[in-house]
Amino acid sequence: QKEVEQNSGPLSVPEGAIASLNCTYSDRGSQSFFWYRQYSGKSPELIMSIYSNGDKEDGRFTAQLNKASQYVSLLIRDSQPSDSATYLCAVMDSSYKLIFGSGTRLLVRP
Amino acid sequence: GAVVSQHPSRVICKSGTSVKIECRSLDFQATTMFWYRQFPKQSLMLMATSNEGSKATYEQGVEKDKFLINHASLTLSTLTVTSAHPEDSSFYICSAPPQREPTDTQYFGPGTRLTVL
Repeated sequence: QKEVEQNSGPLSVPEGAIASLNCTYSDRGSQSFFWYRQYSGKSPELIMSIYSNGDKEDGRFTAQLNKASQYVSLLIRDSQPSDSATYLCAVMDSSYKLIFGSGTRLLVRP
Repeated sequence: GAVVSQHPSRVICKSGTSVKIECRSLDFQATTMFWYRQFPKQSLMLMATSNEGSKATYEQGVEKDKFLINHASLTLSTLTVTSAHPEDSSFYICSAPPQREPTDTQYFGPGTRLTVL
């Protein structure tokens, strides 16, 4: 059974702080890793994708991947109240299926 | 970016009726589309993979006779929930991967909220 694990939260941070979201996965053969943001009642929207070990930065977002530890994380710098949402970690398996974690709810306090 | 649409966005139906949900790729061709279901406060669960010109493949535990999938063209997949019951009430989301880069992200539709009375 391929699994993706996330802490459900909520993770509460003050405005302007760094939010750190973590995810582990079970399938060592996974090649593509994604972070999605989902607002209540809406479809997921892609925040970051990462394919190789190390860091990938895009604006206020940094994704980190460690395949040896089967660990992927997302850092959000200068967190804003509009960042409050559920963040879904997803891992693509060898048949191009996305396996989603249960999501971490982030609350950014003004 | 690529756009995937779904219709309808919301549907309310009586128990025992069938409901059809459409998923369209608007500006690209999709030989494969995926159907997900999301219950409140839970994550997306893959239901089935829709394949253009061939039968859909269903995930373990998903009844293929209840959730009929038809991928009739390179831009349209439909999910029909047959004999719907209140426990089928959920948020149904489709997605499609880019053909040239299937390992890249998938493009998600806006979702369909199904409520079965």
